[in-house]
Amino acid sequence: KAGVTQTPRYLIKTRGQQVTLSCSPISGHRSVSWYQQTPGQGLQFLFEYFSETQRNKGNFPGRFSGRQFSNSRSEMNVSTLELGDSALYLCASSLGLAGGQRDQETQYFGPGTRLLVL
Amino acid sequence: AQSVAQPEDQVNVAEGNPLTVKCTYSVSGNPYLFWYVQYPNRGLQFLLKYITGDNLVKGSYGFEAEFNKSQTSFHLKKPSALVSDSALYFCAVSRGFQKLVFGTGTRLLVSP
Repeated sequence: KAGVTQTPRYLIKTRGQQVTLSCSPISGHRSVSWYQQTPGQGLQFLFEYFSETQRNKGNFPGRFSGRQFSNSRSEMNVSTLELGDSALYLCASSLGLAGGQRDQETQYFGPGTRLLVL
Repeated sequence: AQSVAQPEDQVNVAEGNPLTVKCTYSVSGNPYLFWYVQYPNRGLQFLLKYITGDNLVKGSYGFEAEFNKSQTSFHLKKPSALVSDSALYFCAVSRGFQKLVFGTGTRLLVSP
């Protein structure tokens, strides 16, 4: 089974621009989560989508947004880029189990998109 | 609040020796704990998780982890380290709705 794929792998943008990152989950997975990884803040949760609905959101400003399509593919968008947005953005997918099993699910990560903001 | 701590920024071990990467947790309720590994310019690879049951969890690539409730620890172990095990290791706890809270990471360096 193919793993989680993310495109593009690398991006260079300038301050003030916006960017869209794409994530294709493992086939059959319905939940997609996004994380930001930086040397200073480590790995931080951005948001999670399931059945085209955002179910959970981390502590990031509104410039960070996302969506999920009916085929479970997801995109995240960052508007008005700042230098501090330079990071590795990781997408993870999981089956999307119901109820108490949800917290026990394994998330499988993609290779990430490295964003550099100049 | 659910959190994990990795007290060591780096662990050095010689190839063939046993390795331990430490993780402690602070969780209300049942802890669901995970270990991931990250190689340079790669995403995170799942190694193993603890949900319930046996305190010794076996995972990928010969890794295992010991869950200790009294010490609130979930240390990652391997009986014999390989140079190829050199990477960044993350402990994480699940906070619901697929939100993982990660530790700061421990760099493992295995010398030949």
